[in-house]
Amino acid sequence: NAGVTQTPKFQVLKTGQSMTLQCAQDMNHEYMSWYRQDPGMGLRLIHYSVGAGITDQGEVPNGYNVSRSTTEDFPLRLLSAAPSQTSVYFCASSYTSGVQNIQYFGAGTRLSVL
Amino acid sequence: QQQVKQSPQSLIVQKGGISIINCAYENTAFDYFPWYQQFPGKGPALLIAIRPDVSEKKEGRFTISFNKSAKQFSLHIMDSQPGDSATYFCAASEGFEASGSRLTFGEGTQLTVNP
Repeated sequence: NAGVTQTPKFQVLKTGQSMTLQCAQDMNHEYMSWYRQDPGMGLRLIHYSVGAGITDQGEVPNGYNVSRSTTEDFPLRLLSAAPSQTSVYFCASSYTSGVQNIQYFGAGTRLSVL
Repeated sequence: QQQVKQSPQSLIVQKGGISIINCAYENTAFDYFPWYQQFPGKGPALLIAIRPDVSEKKEGRFTISFNKSAKQFSLHIMDSQPGDSATYFCAASEGFEASGSRLTFGEGTQLTVNP
């Protein structure tokens, strides 16, 4: 049981390049989401999905696209990378049980845009 | 606009002491308040969570105190240990059943527990 797997762990891009951050979960969770973590700002929601074929924007969606063709996978695409997108990106999947909503986070992708 | 404000930014506690981290929120529709613990190089992990129908929840050395009228909640770590040294985040969401993906996080507190 791998949980939430993110690839790559590290990435350096040049301004204007595009790339896809991969996220996969093997827990059959309906809910998945992407956050970015910047110093002093906590984690901010980029996009989320409540099930295959359904996605919506979070707090900071500009410059990012997502799709959810399967329950397991939720890739995040950077269309044209900018230095402001230098950050650590976390993917999460979650389920609700009783009085708790339990989110599992991946180990993160550290992205630098030069 | 930061909907969940967390303080302090950093905290140093002696082993065996009590660590207290505070959060305040603005959105009265929030109905789920989790705390996450994050070690360097790792993703956040759920530590403890509370719904607004109770004022306190305790799990081992970790306690959440919740004050609905003040729109504040706090994490207390009793008998703090060096292994508790990590970054702690409070968070909140609304529409509990459907909000599994939509957490609003505080800024984080870097806790250091000295031996």
